[in-house]
Formats: sequence, C-alpha cells, structure tokens
Amino acid sequence: KAGVTQTPRYLIKTRGQQVTLSCSPISGHRSVSWYQQTPGQGLQFLFEYFSETQRNKGNFPGRFSGRQFSNSRSEMNVSTLELGDSALYLCASSLAGTRTGELFFGEGSRLTVL
Amino acid sequence: GENVEQHPSTLSVQEGDSAVIKCTYSDSASNYFPWYKQELGKRPQLIIDIRSNVGEKKDQRIAVTLNKTAKHFSLHITETQPEDSAVYFCAARNYQAGTALIFGKGTTLSVSS
Repeated sequence: KAGVTQTPRYLIKTRGQQVTLSCSPISGHRSVSWYQQTPGQGLQFLFEYFSETQRNKGNFPGRFSGRQFSNSRSEMNVSTLELGDSALYLCASSLAGTRTGELFFGEGSRLTVL
Repeated sequence: GENVEQHPSTLSVQEGDSAVIKCTYSDSASNYFPWYKQELGKRPQLIIDIRSNVGEKKDQRIAVTLNKTAKHFSLHITETQPEDSAVYFCAARNYQAGTALIFGKGTTLSVSS
C-alpha cells in the first residue's frame, strides 16, 4: 500500500512569488491535513480537508490556501511568499470517521524562500 | 482554540534511564491524545495514543498517562536506548470536530550510551 506522497520534495522561491504543493493521500483516506514545521515551532496546523470541503483552519494568514479534489488529492498554495514561509510543509492523511484517526505523514515539501 | 504546551524542549539521558515528557492542553473538549516520534530527516510517526476515557496505556517500554481534570498528559519511556533519540511531539484533538491535530512544540530526546 503506497504511503502519502508529496511533491515537490524541495523547492526554492524568491520573495513575492507563489508556490503550490501537492499531496496524494493513502488510497481510501478521505481526510487530508497540512502542517508547517519550523525549528522551535514544531508542527503548526494549517488546514484540514474532507470530501473536498475545508473542515478546520489554523491561525495562518489568507496567503495560505488549499483545496481538495474528488479523488482526495490535495494542494496547498502560498501566495506573495515571505522569508518566514521557509519551512517543511507536511501533509497527513487519515481515515475520517474513526475515533482515533491516526495521521500518516508524507515526507514533506521543503520550501526555501530567498 | 486548542493550545498544547510541551516540556521540556530538550532532554538528555543515559542509556537505561527513564525519560518523561509532559504536555498540557487547554480545550476540555479534546478527547484524543497521540504521541509522535520524528527521527532526524524522517516523517513523524505515531508511537502511542490515549483516549479521554482511559487514564493510562502501556506498550512495552512506552507508557502514556492522562489526567483529564488537570488537562495534563505525559509520555514515559523506560530503559531508554540510543535508538530512542528523536524529537517527540504530543498532540490533542477533539475527534468530533475532525481529524486535525494540535501539536506541542516538541521535545528533543538524546540518549547517550
């Protein structure tokens, strides 16, 4: 069974540009959530999608957005990049509707903003 | 919204010693508390979890305790080994609100032999 796949794995952008990151969940998983990981700040929740609908959103500015497609694949977009957006962006999928709902993480997309 | 605080941020122990990491949460509606381990350069992986109707859970050398009244939960690792060296994250969720987790900032555990 394939795990969570994120693309691209690494990317370098300059301030003001925008970026789109992609996440393919484990087959059968309908819930996808995104996290930003930076040194010292841990894993900060960005948003969660289920059945193409955003179910929860973290405390990030509107420059951060996402969507989910009918096949459960998800994308997140960051517009007008700032230096502080440099981070590892992790996507996680889970079986929605279960009480525990273990999150299975991808390897992440490492974004560097120059 | 939920806020999870985790202490200590770094922890160094000798092989064979025990390690304890503590977390507190703010939202009394949270009912699921997992712990994730992230080795250097790898993705976080679930090591143990506990639901709010249980006070303690053990899995070999790892145990988690939960005090709902104090909104406090802890990870206990006994007989630590060098391969336990990693960053450990606690998290909380109200599973009726979705599957998103709110994480603590992590504890870097170093086990020296």
